[in-house]
Amino acid sequence: AQRVTQPEKLLSVFKGAPVELKCNYSYSGSPELFWYVQYSRQRLQLLLRHISRESIKGFTADLNKGETSFHLKKPFAQEEDSAMYYCALGATGRRAPTFGSGTRLQVQP
Amino acid sequence: SAVISQKPSRDICQRGTSLTIQCQVDSQVTMMFWYRQQPGQSLTLIATANQGSEATYESGFVIDKFPISRPNLTFSTLTVSNMSPEDSSIYLCSVVGRGTEAFFGQGTRLTVV
Repeated sequence: AQRVTQPEKLLSVFKGAPVELKCNYSYSGSPELFWYVQYSRQRLQLLLRHISRESIKGFTADLNKGETSFHLKKPFAQEEDSAMYYCALGATGRRAPTFGSGTRLQVQP
Repeated sequence: SAVISQKPSRDICQRGTSLTIQCQVDSQVTMMFWYRQQPGQSLTLIATANQGSEATYESGFVIDKFPISRPNLTFSTLTVSNMSPEDSSIYLCSVVGRGTEAFFGQGTRLTVV
Protein backbone atom coordinates (compact mmCIF):
# COMPACT_ATOMS: atom_id res chain seq x y z
CA ALA A 1 0.00 0.00 0.00
CA GLN A 2 1.11 3.54 -0.68
CA ARG A 3 1.97 5.61 2.33
CA VAL A 4 3.64 8.93 3.10
CA THR A 5 4.91 9.65 6.58
CA GLN A 6 5.82 13.06 7.96
CA PRO A 7 6.91 12.39 11.52
CA GLU A 8 6.90 15.99 12.72
CA LYS A 9 3.64 17.88 13.23
CA LEU A 10 5.46 21.07 14.13
CA LEU A 11 8.96 22.29 13.42
CA SER A 12 10.00 25.55 15.01
CA VAL A 13 13.27 27.25 14.07
CA PHE A 14 14.78 30.68 14.26
CA LYS A 15 15.30 32.88 11.24
CA GLY A 16 18.57 32.01 9.49
CA ALA A 17 18.70 28.48 10.86
CA PRO A 18 18.74 25.45 8.56
CA VAL A 19 15.49 23.59 8.01
CA GLU A 20 14.82 19.95 7.23
CA LEU A 21 11.27 18.64 6.95
CA LYS A 22 11.26 14.88 6.90
CA CYS A 23 9.26 12.71 4.55
CA ASN A 24 9.37 8.95 4.12
CA TYR A 25 7.31 6.98 1.65
CA SER A 26 6.21 3.46 0.90
CA TYR A 27 5.61 2.62 -2.74
CA SER A 28 6.28 -0.36 -4.96
CA GLY A 29 7.56 1.02 -8.21
CA SER A 30 9.15 4.26 -9.33
CA PRO A 31 7.68 6.99 -7.15
CA GLU A 32 6.84 10.53 -8.18
CA LEU A 33 7.16 12.74 -5.15
CA PHE A 34 6.06 16.28 -4.47
CA TRP A 35 6.15 18.89 -1.77
CA TYR A 36 3.12 21.15 -1.43
CA VAL A 37 2.88 24.27 0.71
CA GLN A 38 -0.05 26.09 2.22
CA TYR A 39 0.58 29.60 3.47
CA SER A 40 -1.88 31.20 5.86
CA ARG A 41 -5.19 31.96 4.13
CA GLN A 42 -3.93 30.70 0.76
CA ARG A 43 -4.68 27.61 -1.25
CA LEU A 44 -2.53 24.54 -1.22
CA GLN A 45 0.04 24.78 -4.01
CA LEU A 46 2.94 22.88 -5.45
CA LEU A 47 6.34 23.80 -4.05
CA LEU A 48 8.54 21.37 -5.92
CA ARG A 49 8.65 17.96 -7.52
CA HIS A 50 11.50 15.49 -7.39
CA ILE A 51 11.62 14.90 -11.10
CA SER A 52 12.63 18.46 -11.93
CA ARG A 53 15.44 18.58 -9.34
CA GLU A 54 14.92 22.30 -8.94
CA SER A 55 15.29 24.75 -6.09
CA ILE A 56 12.23 26.81 -5.31
CA LYS A 57 12.39 29.68 -2.80
CA GLY A 58 15.67 28.19 -1.63
CA PHE A 59 14.14 24.79 -0.89
CA THR A 60 15.49 21.57 -2.32
CA ALA A 61 14.51 17.94 -1.91
CA ASP A 62 16.42 14.88 -2.98
CA LEU A 63 14.82 11.52 -3.56
CA ASN A 64 16.70 8.78 -1.72
CA LYS A 65 15.33 5.47 -2.92
CA GLY A 66 17.53 3.47 -0.58
CA GLU A 67 16.09 5.22 2.46
CA THR A 68 12.70 5.83 0.79
CA SER A 69 12.95 9.46 1.81
CA PHE A 70 12.27 12.83 0.22
CA HIS A 71 13.26 15.34 2.85
CA LEU A 72 12.77 19.06 2.20
CA LYS A 73 15.70 21.29 3.05
CA LYS A 74 16.60 24.95 3.16
CA PRO A 75 19.92 26.25 4.44
CA PHE A 76 18.63 29.52 5.92
CA ALA A 77 15.01 29.80 6.99
CA GLN A 78 13.07 33.02 6.48
CA GLU A 79 10.00 34.18 8.38
CA GLU A 80 7.96 34.03 5.19
CA ASP A 81 8.64 30.29 5.02
CA SER A 82 6.23 29.77 7.90
CA ALA A 83 3.50 27.55 6.49
CA MET A 84 2.09 24.06 6.38
CA TYR A 85 4.10 21.64 4.23
CA TYR A 86 2.79 18.40 2.77
CA CYS A 87 4.79 15.64 1.14
CA ALA A 88 2.89 13.58 -1.42
CA LEU A 89 3.13 10.67 -3.81
CA GLY A 90 1.74 11.55 -7.21
CA ALA A 91 -1.49 10.23 -8.62
CA THR A 92 -1.29 6.82 -10.31
CA GLY A 93 -3.86 5.44 -12.71
CA ARG A 94 -7.15 6.69 -11.33
CA ARG A 95 -5.86 6.78 -7.79
CA ALA A 96 -5.64 10.08 -5.93
CA PRO A 97 -2.30 11.43 -4.74
CA THR A 98 -1.26 10.19 -1.32
CA PHE A 99 -0.52 12.97 1.14
CA GLY A 100 1.42 12.92 4.36
CA SER A 101 -0.11 14.37 7.49
CA GLY A 102 1.74 17.64 7.07
CA THR A 103 4.34 19.56 9.04
CA ARG A 104 3.81 23.08 10.27
CA LEU A 105 6.99 25.11 9.93
CA GLN A 106 7.23 28.06 12.26
CA VAL A 107 10.14 30.43 11.67
CA GLN A 108 10.67 32.75 14.58
CA PRO A 109 12.36 36.15 14.26
CA SER B 1 -1.53 23.91 -15.02
CA ALA B 2 -5.18 24.12 -13.97
CA VAL B 3 -7.05 26.97 -12.32
CA ILE B 4 -9.85 25.91 -10.00
CA SER B 5 -12.68 28.11 -8.85
CA GLN B 6 -14.51 26.78 -5.82
CA LYS B 7 -17.54 28.34 -4.23
CA PRO B 8 -18.79 29.30 -1.79
CA SER B 9 -15.56 30.21 -0.03
CA ARG B 10 -17.26 29.99 3.33
CA ASP B 11 -20.68 29.43 4.82
CA ILE B 12 -22.39 29.11 8.16
CA CYS B 13 -25.24 26.61 8.08
CA GLN B 14 -27.90 25.35 10.42
CA ARG B 15 -27.73 21.74 11.50
CA GLY B 16 -29.99 19.47 9.48
CA THR B 17 -29.63 21.48 6.28
CA SER B 18 -27.52 20.75 3.20
CA LEU B 19 -24.85 22.72 1.38
CA THR B 20 -23.68 22.22 -2.18
CA ILE B 21 -20.13 23.21 -3.05
CA GLN B 22 -19.20 23.87 -6.66
CA CYS B 23 -15.86 23.28 -8.36
CA GLN B 24 -15.11 24.71 -11.80
CA VAL B 25 -11.86 23.99 -13.65
CA ASP B 26 -10.54 26.07 -16.54
CA SER B 27 -9.58 22.98 -18.57
CA GLN B 28 -10.77 19.45 -19.06
CA VAL B 29 -9.35 17.07 -16.48
CA THR B 30 -9.86 13.38 -16.00
CA MET B 31 -9.19 13.12 -12.30
CA MET B 32 -11.10 15.24 -9.79
CA PHE B 33 -11.21 14.70 -6.05
CA TRP B 34 -12.87 16.04 -2.95
CA TYR B 35 -11.02 16.35 0.35
CA ARG B 36 -11.79 17.45 3.86
CA GLN B 37 -9.20 19.35 5.87
CA GLN B 38 -9.28 20.44 9.46
CA PRO B 39 -7.43 23.77 9.77
CA GLY B 40 -3.71 23.14 9.90
CA GLN B 41 -4.13 19.41 9.62
CA SER B 42 -3.96 16.65 7.07
CA LEU B 43 -6.10 16.14 4.02
CA THR B 44 -8.69 13.38 4.12
CA LEU B 45 -9.88 12.09 0.77
CA ILE B 46 -13.65 11.92 0.60
CA ALA B 47 -14.17 10.61 -2.91
CA THR B 48 -13.08 10.57 -6.52
CA ALA B 49 -15.56 12.33 -8.78
CA ASN B 50 -15.99 10.25 -11.94
CA GLN B 51 -17.36 11.85 -15.07
CA GLY B 52 -20.49 10.10 -16.23
CA SER B 53 -20.64 7.57 -13.41
CA GLU B 54 -21.03 7.34 -9.67
CA ALA B 55 -18.29 8.74 -7.47
CA THR B 56 -15.87 6.40 -5.73
CA TYR B 57 -16.01 6.94 -1.97
CA GLU B 58 -13.30 6.31 0.58
CA SER B 59 -13.88 4.32 3.71
CA GLY B 60 -16.00 6.26 6.15
CA PHE B 61 -17.76 8.37 3.53
CA VAL B 62 -21.08 7.45 1.91
CA ILE B 63 -23.07 8.74 -1.00
CA ASP B 64 -26.14 9.57 1.06
CA LYS B 65 -24.13 11.97 3.20
CA PHE B 66 -21.84 13.36 0.50
CA PRO B 67 -23.53 13.09 -2.90
CA ILE B 68 -21.25 14.14 -5.75
CA SER B 69 -22.06 15.11 -9.30
CA ARG B 70 -19.62 15.27 -12.22
CA PRO B 71 -21.60 16.16 -15.34
CA ASN B 72 -18.54 16.94 -17.48
CA LEU B 73 -14.76 17.15 -17.40
CA THR B 74 -14.63 20.70 -16.00
CA PHE B 75 -17.24 20.76 -13.23
CA SER B 76 -18.23 18.92 -10.08
CA THR B 77 -20.34 19.48 -7.00
CA LEU B 78 -20.14 18.06 -3.51
CA THR B 79 -23.18 18.22 -1.25
CA VAL B 80 -22.86 17.91 2.50
CA SER B 81 -26.26 16.60 3.57
CA ASN B 82 -28.14 16.72 6.85
CA MET B 83 -25.31 18.62 8.44
CA SER B 84 -24.19 18.38 12.04
CA PRO B 85 -21.49 20.37 13.86
CA GLU B 86 -19.07 17.48 13.23
CA ASP B 87 -19.20 18.38 9.53
CA SER B 88 -17.59 21.73 10.24
CA SER B 89 -14.39 21.68 8.24
CA ILE B 90 -12.68 22.94 5.12
CA TYR B 91 -13.70 21.14 1.94
CA LEU B 92 -11.27 21.12 -0.96
CA CYS B 93 -11.68 20.36 -4.62
CA SER B 94 -8.57 19.04 -6.36
CA VAL B 95 -7.66 17.92 -9.85
CA VAL B 96 -4.72 16.14 -11.40
CA GLY B 97 -3.67 17.39 -14.80
CA ARG B 98 -1.74 15.65 -17.51
CA GLY B 99 1.07 14.87 -15.14
CA THR B 100 0.66 13.64 -11.60
CA GLU B 101 0.77 17.07 -9.97
CA ALA B 102 -2.31 18.13 -8.02
CA PHE B 103 -4.04 21.51 -8.17
CA PHE B 104 -6.41 22.78 -5.53
CA GLY B 105 -9.33 25.10 -5.14
CA GLN B 106 -9.21 27.74 -2.45
CA GLY B 107 -11.46 25.66 -0.23
CA THR B 108 -14.86 26.06 1.36
CA ARG B 109 -14.83 26.78 5.08
CA LEU B 110 -18.03 25.30 6.48
CA THR B 111 -19.33 26.01 9.97
CA VAL B 112 -22.41 24.15 11.17
CA VAL B 113 -24.28 25.67 14.08
